[in-house]
Amino acid sequence: AQTVTQSQPEMSVQEAETVTLSCTYDTSESNYYLFWYKQPPSRQMILVIRQEAYKQQNATENRFSVNFQKAAKSFSLKISDSQLGDTAMYFCAFMKGNNNDMRFGAGTRLTVKP
Amino acid sequence: DSGVTQTPKHLITATGQRVTLRCSPRSGDLSVYWYQQSLDQGLQFLIHYYNGEERAKGNILERFSAQQFPDLHSELNLSSLELGDSALYFCASTRGGGTNEQFFGPGTRLTVL
Repeated sequence: AQTVTQSQPEMSVQEAETVTLSCTYDTSESNYYLFWYKQPPSRQMILVIRQEAYKQQNATENRFSVNFQKAAKSFSLKISDSQLGDTAMYFCAFMKGNNNDMRFGAGTRLTVKP
Repeated sequence: DSGVTQTPKHLITATGQRVTLRCSPRSGDLSVYWYQQSLDQGLQFLIHYYNGEERAKGNILERFSAQQFPDLHSELNLSSLELGDSALYFCASTRGGGTNEQFFGPGTRLTVL
């Protein structure tokens, strides 16, 4: 079974600074996908970024980037130039293959301070 | 707005009762997933339907059941409700067939008193 671990229950960062959220996973699969979802106070689940395991290049979406270390089974999220609107719960998720369900970590509550 | 709709937004009911949660996927999406988010269990996968057929089951209790109709909307039925069933229930959809990004609905908040 696949497990996803987020070891930081809570984090805070000053506005405009950079923060990194950690995620590790355990799997014996070779074909999989990794995701970071954001859940603001509205509770809506919003996809932040995704990474295909077969791609060596780290995914980037504007201020959001990942550090994907396949051998170490690590998938951290870096948020640059943090904004107040980034305050949310962040969930790391694993999907085996395509068109399958996701397994989520416990989440990291991020607070961006003005 | 993800394009996925869920009704109702909030539901308050008593223990022992039965409720039905409804999900309409994005136009053209064939896959529907149901997830439960509770305070102590985090986000848990319940069940996956693809074009009307059940594809996978996760941590879904026997008291819970789901189906996907020919128009592709899905319903999650929860019966003999217990206090511990209080949670946020999400539906997500994808096109299927090799895509993997799941679009989440706004969720249904279920409170069992």
